[in-house]
Amino acid sequence: GENVEQHPSTLSVQEGDSAVIKCTYSDSASNYFPWYKQELGKGPQLIIDIRSNVGEKKDQRIAVTLNKTAKHFSLHITETQPEDSAVYFCAALDNYGQNFVFGPGTRLSVLP
Amino acid sequence: KAGVTQTPRYLIKTRGQQVTLSCSPISGHRSVSWYQQTPGQGLQFLFEYFSETQRNKGNFPGRFSGRQFSNSRSEMNVSTLELGDSALYLCASSQFRIENTEAFFGQGTRLTVV
Repeated sequence: GENVEQHPSTLSVQEGDSAVIKCTYSDSASNYFPWYKQELGKGPQLIIDIRSNVGEKKDQRIAVTLNKTAKHFSLHITETQPEDSAVYFCAALDNYGQNFVFGPGTRLSVLP
Repeated sequence: KAGVTQTPRYLIKTRGQQVTLSCSPISGHRSVSWYQQTPGQGLQFLFEYFSETQRNKGNFPGRFSGRQFSNSRSEMNVSTLELGDSALYLCASSQFRIENTEAFFGQGTRLTVV
């Protein structure tokens, strides 16, 4: 089955700097890759997603890149702000929609 | 527009008991999926229901089951509770199947098994 790895597990950056979180997946049939942000006491919130027919997607300060050949995708946050501090999860959905596998999460801290 | 509502927010149960959790999706959404979140295992997919039918299932034992009603509301049931079932249970709703549209999560039900 699908396996998703995520690095780093924790990340601290200074306010205004960029943050990059990387995920790798094992099942080449996976075709949908969302990123979620989870704040303390809340459920995950979708912040951006990408499908296998696209290499990059951007939404204001957030971007995601996908390398299908290498089977990895990355989240890029520019001009980080303290409110970006949260746990971020990547996920992969296989081509048949049979299983939705999450990475272990990255705790991002943006220091003022 | 109301978000995804999960009830109850907190539950304490004893080993061996069973529990039923409820999820009301966003109005108009037909897909409800369930997840278990623990510090050790992270976020794990349980199952997805669409139009009252289970469409896919993660790697959980048969003690975990669910159903969806005609109004798209969903319930998840765990029988013969074990200590390891203590977790935050999240549901998410989406307009169509997970792979076709974004999913919105509820705040979860925190289950503690003692």
